[in-house]
Amino acid sequence: RKEVEQDPGPFNVPEGATVAFNCTYSNSASQSFFWYRQDCRKEPKLLMSVYSSGNEDGRFTAQLNRASQYISLLIRDSKLSDSATYLCVVNSGGFKTIFGAGTRLFVKA
Amino acid sequence: DAGVIQSPRHEVTEMGQEVTLRCKPISGHNSLFWYRQTMMRGLELLIYFNNNVPIDDSGMPEDRFSAKMPNASFSTLKIQPSEPRDSAVYFCASSSLSGRGDTQYFGPGTRLTVL
Repeated sequence: RKEVEQDPGPFNVPEGATVAFNCTYSNSASQSFFWYRQDCRKEPKLLMSVYSSGNEDGRFTAQLNRASQYISLLIRDSKLSDSATYLCVVNSGGFKTIFGAGTRLFVKA
Repeated sequence: DAGVIQSPRHEVTEMGQEVTLRCKPISGHNSLFWYRQTMMRGLELLIYFNNNVPIDDSGMPEDRFSAKMPNASFSTLKIQPSEPRDSAVYFCASSSLSGRGDTQYFGPGTRLTVL
């Protein structure tokens, strides 16, 4: 089993739709969680950290469920510019950070 | 502020040749990571350094790969000899880790093609 697993997609949604991604992790001792975004032929960039209480940044909401060992990302009112690959990232303490394979999102007009 | 700088941005070489990729991390960051990304395997961590010291190189695929960080502002990833299966995008990232995993800032990557 992979340490971090994501549905690769692609998710094809119309503009204005709400879309959600889940990510599961295997190490129950994991401490820090992030969502990164990667545009085509570009480097990954931090989208948001994921806190135990959940957090929101504009149209984006991230949730953490420690009991079930998954994190989620919700995007409301999707824009064309949201089209990208979303990477789930888990840190188990110290220096080792594991990136998921990513979920591809296409938002269409 | 300058982000992570990588060079070259593109490299095309022939099988058997030596390839050297370069990275300048963000000033003040004490951790540096080398990743490789392919369609088949996604983003793979090759090696990471903390305070210029290699901490974990378990991701380095073979002895053909080596990495150095002679000082806080420079790192290299060398492949010798290169093979076609090494073709990938190689990213360098840096962070100021506090032990709980901080944001990693990625460079633009080096797209390597080995013919």
